Amino acid sequence: DGGITQSPKYLFRKEGQNVTLSCEQNLNHDAMYWYRQDPGQGLRLIYYSQIVNDFQKGDIAEGYSVSREKKESFPLTVTSAQKNPTAFYLCASRAFATEAFFGQGTRLTVV
Amino acid sequence: SQQGEEDPQALSIQEGENATMNCSYKTSINNLQWYRQNSGRGLVHLILIRSNEREKHSGRLRVTLDTSKKSSSLLITASRAADTASYFCATDPSSGSARQLTFGSGTQLTVLP
Repeated sequence: DGGITQSPKYLFRKEGQNVTLSCEQNLNHDAMYWYRQDPGQGLRLIYYSQIVNDFQKGDIAEGYSVSREKKESFPLTVTSAQKNPTAFYLCASRAFATEAFFGQGTRLTVV
Repeated sequence: SQQGEEDPQALSIQEGENATMNCSYKTSINNLQWYRQNSGRGLVHLILIRSNEREKHSGRLRVTLDTSKKSSSLLITASRAADTASYFCATDPSSGSARQLTFGSGTQLTVLP
């Protein structure tokens, strides 16, 4: 089955820690995206990538980093510089000018 | 910055009634997309309307697009309790960062049985 998989579903971070959220797709999509969603809010774009080894900052990139070494994978690292990381993180992929396919999300909590 | 803004922010209706949600955006688009999100889940694509289309149907969904007013509407007819969810519009710009898909703030729809 083709799809997009995020892991883990729940993640807990201690103060000062970096954590990495995984996103894998087998849809052969060029573009991949990371969004942050706070309770009752819309989606805000963190980073996106149109092609392997290339990515662009979105509206709220500070405190986050990404890599795109393979077409299938677009991991997001939440660094210690992100002071308020508790949120729901969504990864998506799509082909050019088509609809996006989303993973089931990772809920990150600072403990 | 959020490209699309949905209106209303929240909508509560009785089962069987129609629900209408509106989306306004700011720049030129290639297409506009509507998504649904159940609580705590990922988004699911509902319908995509291209900039040269004015209306599109899919089952109980009807989407209109007015590029001169930079607005779109999503109509759900004969609503059901299972339609309770958040609905988002997303714009696919026609220039600039052509693959940057930008979402609005969403409409929370509650359908009462």
